[in-house]
Amino acid sequence: AQTVTQSQPEMSVQEAETVTLSCTYDTSESDYYLFWYKQPPSRQMILVIRQEAYKQQNATENRFSVNFQKAAKSFSLKISDSQLGDAAMYFCAYKARRGGADGLTFGKGTHLIIQP
Amino acid sequence: GAGVSQSPRYKVAKRGQDVALRCDPISGHVSLFWYQQALGQGPEFLTYFQNEAQLDKSGLPSDRFFAERPEGSVSTLKIQRTQQEDSAVYLCASSLAGTASPEAFFGQGTRLTVV
Repeated sequence: AQTVTQSQPEMSVQEAETVTLSCTYDTSESDYYLFWYKQPPSRQMILVIRQEAYKQQNATENRFSVNFQKAAKSFSLKISDSQLGDAAMYFCAYKARRGGADGLTFGKGTHLIIQP
Repeated sequence: GAGVSQSPRYKVAKRGQDVALRCDPISGHVSLFWYQQALGQGPEFLTYFQNEAQLDKSGLPSDRFFAERPEGSVSTLKIQRTQQEDSAVYLCASSLAGTASPEAFFGQGTRLTVV
């Protein structure tokens, strides 16, 4: 069974600085997706960024980028120019590619605090 | 609808009471998932529907939990004889079918408190 580990329960960063959130995972599959979701106090999970395992190029979405190391099974999220609105819980998630029927496996989350 | 809608947003139930949680997915989304999120934890998979067929219910914690999606659209998660350990946020997510669109879109969840 696949597992996702987020080893940082909480991270704090100054506004406008850069922060990196860590995630490792374990799977026997070779083809899968990895995601970072943001969950503000409203509880709604919002997709931040997605990475296909077969792509070597790291995904980027504006201020958000990932460092995907497939051999090491590592998938970190870098947030540049942190903004107050980035404060939230961040969850790393895994989904096997086969058939599309699998649900997401989530880590325990990292609480990101933005210091003004 | 424009997004995934869940109701109620909050539910307080007395121990032993039955509850029903509703999920209205994005129109046209074939896949529907239910997750349970305990306080301070990540969501955990409960069950999956493709249209009206429940293809995976391996995450349901006990036979007190039952989910249905009779017409392939709205889904209901029912919990019978609620217990305190059922207190959690229940999240619903929907997605298009197939591997080309793996993103799941989530509702705001229902926070269930069993007292």
